[in-house]
Amino acid sequence: QKEVEQNSGPLSVPEGAIASLNCTYSDRGSQSFFWYRQYSGKSPELIMFIYSNGDKEDGRFTAQLNKASQYVSLLIRDSQPSDSATYLCAVSRYTGNQFYFGTGTSLTVIP
Amino acid sequence: KAGVTQTPRYLIKTRGQQVTLSCSPISGHRSVSWYQQTPGQGLQFLFEYFSETQRNKGNFPGRFSGRQFSNSRSEMNVSTLELGDSALYLCASSLAGVYNEQFFGPGTRLTVL
Repeated sequence: QKEVEQNSGPLSVPEGAIASLNCTYSDRGSQSFFWYRQYSGKSPELIMFIYSNGDKEDGRFTAQLNKASQYVSLLIRDSQPSDSATYLCAVSRYTGNQFYFGTGTSLTVIP
Repeated sequence: KAGVTQTPRYLIKTRGQQVTLSCSPISGHRSVSWYQQTPGQGLQFLFEYFSETQRNKGNFPGRFSGRQFSNSRSEMNVSTLELGDSALYLCASSLAGVYNEQFFGPGTRLTVL
């Protein structure tokens, strides 16, 4: 079983819609959860992080964490064509600084 | 504040050669992690250095090694290159400690012929 699992997609949504990206993780000791966006040919860019159960909002982005279900999600409201990218979920334990990444979900926002 | 820098950005090598990649973290960041990214495998963790010590290590053969200097700059070395080592090598830095997000450099694209 992989440490972090994501649906690889591709996920297509129309411009202005809500895009929902999901991620599950296997290690109950995970404490920190991150969402990165990666454009083709570029390096990952951090867009959100969450540590506590519940929702965290930052502009058009909302991260949701449910530790009991070992589930973290990212909602993108009012999706724009510029949001078209691969979204990577990452988790980290309390000790040390090793991150585990999912394989990413490819998102396409259709104008 | 300057971001993470990596040099060189592109490399072409032949099988059997060795290569050294360099990473300079964000000023003040003491942790440097290295990843290999390929289309088929995604981001694979290589190792993490903190205060010149390797703190975590991924599941890669001993041909992959690294080090960190007192100024937090890090290098990774790959010896006896194989075709399968062709990948984007990414370095990420963080302040290190609990709940610390990682910031990535632009990467080094290595092609092994």
